[in-house]
Amino acid sequence: SAVISQKPSRDICQRGTSLTIQCQVDSQVTMMFWYRQQPGQSLTLIATANQGSEATYESGFVIDKFPISRPNLTFSTLTVSNMSPEDSSIYLCSAERGGADTQYFGPGTRLTVL
Amino acid sequence: KQEVTQIPAALSVPEGENLVLNCSFTDSAIYNLQWFRQDPGKGLTSLLLIQSSQREQTSGRLNASLDKSSGRSTLYIAASQPGDSATYLCAVSKAAGNKLTFGGGTRVLVKP
Repeated sequence: SAVISQKPSRDICQRGTSLTIQCQVDSQVTMMFWYRQQPGQSLTLIATANQGSEATYESGFVIDKFPISRPNLTFSTLTVSNMSPEDSSIYLCSAERGGADTQYFGPGTRLTVL
Repeated sequence: KQEVTQIPAALSVPEGENLVLNCSFTDSAIYNLQWFRQDPGKGLTSLLLIQSSQREQTSGRLNASLDKSSGRSTLYIAASQPGDSATYLCAVSKAAGNKLTFGGGTRVLVKP
């Protein structure tokens, strides 16, 4: 299995500011993903974090709003830029080693924007 | 576009009763299907993963079946306990290393 940690676990931010969320995996993984879970909703994929190249974003999500880095095979960051109250959500990082492996999830970062 | 639906949205049962959670998906061309558990305010814990070539997977009191051609999966939890209270999510993947498409979840409450 893979153990994933996220920092911070929660934060309360002011409108117009930015927050960077870190995701650390305890072993090398092939794929890393960032999901958003809005209050009372299920998970929606924001983007696939590609090692050494630009992230692949899903429809409705753009790099200027959610810049992502993945400098190596165990670490990724997601920045939520110019935040508004609508960005209040839980942001989850996940990872997969490829093949028939399960997808492992971090504990999430609970973001509240005032 | 793949759509995943979970019915019911919420379920309340007395302790000891068996739980049956349903998941349906519109595109049968899946690579695998996973069932997750999510406790309030927490991340996801993987329960079972079923490859598209498999019919079922079992782990302890949990059993998940997959009927790929009809686009359905069912999670059975035998002899439910209060500790089983959580939201259960199913998700499908189209290919290895591909994103997961999630259902809306079933919120389960097991009453002592």
